[in-house]
Amino acid sequence: AQSVTQPDIHITVSEGASLELRCNYSYGATPYLFWYVQSPGQGLQLLLKYFSGDTLVQGIKGFEAEFKRSQSSFNLRKPSVHWSDAAEYFCAVASGGSYIPTFGRGTSLIVHP
Amino acid sequence: NAGVTQTPKFRILKIGQSMTLQCTQDMNHNYMYWYRQDPGMGLKLIYYSVGAGITDKGEVPNGYNVSRSTTEDFPLRLELAAPSQTSVYFCASTQGIGTEAFFGQGTRLTVV
Repeated sequence: AQSVTQPDIHITVSEGASLELRCNYSYGATPYLFWYVQSPGQGLQLLLKYFSGDTLVQGIKGFEAEFKRSQSSFNLRKPSVHWSDAAEYFCAVASGGSYIPTFGRGTSLIVHP
Repeated sequence: NAGVTQTPKFRILKIGQSMTLQCTQDMNHNYMYWYRQDPGMGLKLIYYSVGAGITDKGEVPNGYNVSRSTTEDFPLRLELAAPSQTSVYFCASTQGIGTEAFFGQGTRLTVV
């Protein structure tokens, strides 16, 4: 069965600093990988997705993620964080045999001024 | 486009009461899902549907029921509310395998 691990429950960064949120998945073949963001009191919004091809994918709001097959990882990065990036971030996987998105537990991003 | 619409946004139930959480989407997606979100636990799948008339259990289905009579609607029913069902509920839909999930705004349910 597919699964997703986000090892960090909370991440605190200063505004302007770089950011990396970790995500590891468990699935034999290359899955479909996603990052979503959830602002307080809102539903989830897609930041970016990876299906195949270039392992570095660009998303909205200046985010990018890199797929590393050897490490079963799909980490989310941003070079310079803005205060408005404070939110909950979810990594998700949908493997080839299952269309059902499976989500990690989420990482809460706190941004200090 | 409205996307995925959930109602109500907030609800307080007493133990043993029942209610239906409504979900409708206007994107003609075949796949629809109900998740619950608890602090630090991520999203847990309750039920899902691959099309009208077809539903199946997810990871945490106990205490819930669903139906899918049309492509657009996927209501979630709580028959005998329990405090353990206090949570935020999200409905989502996808177009197909490995595609982006579109979420409703969520329903915050408190059972007292």
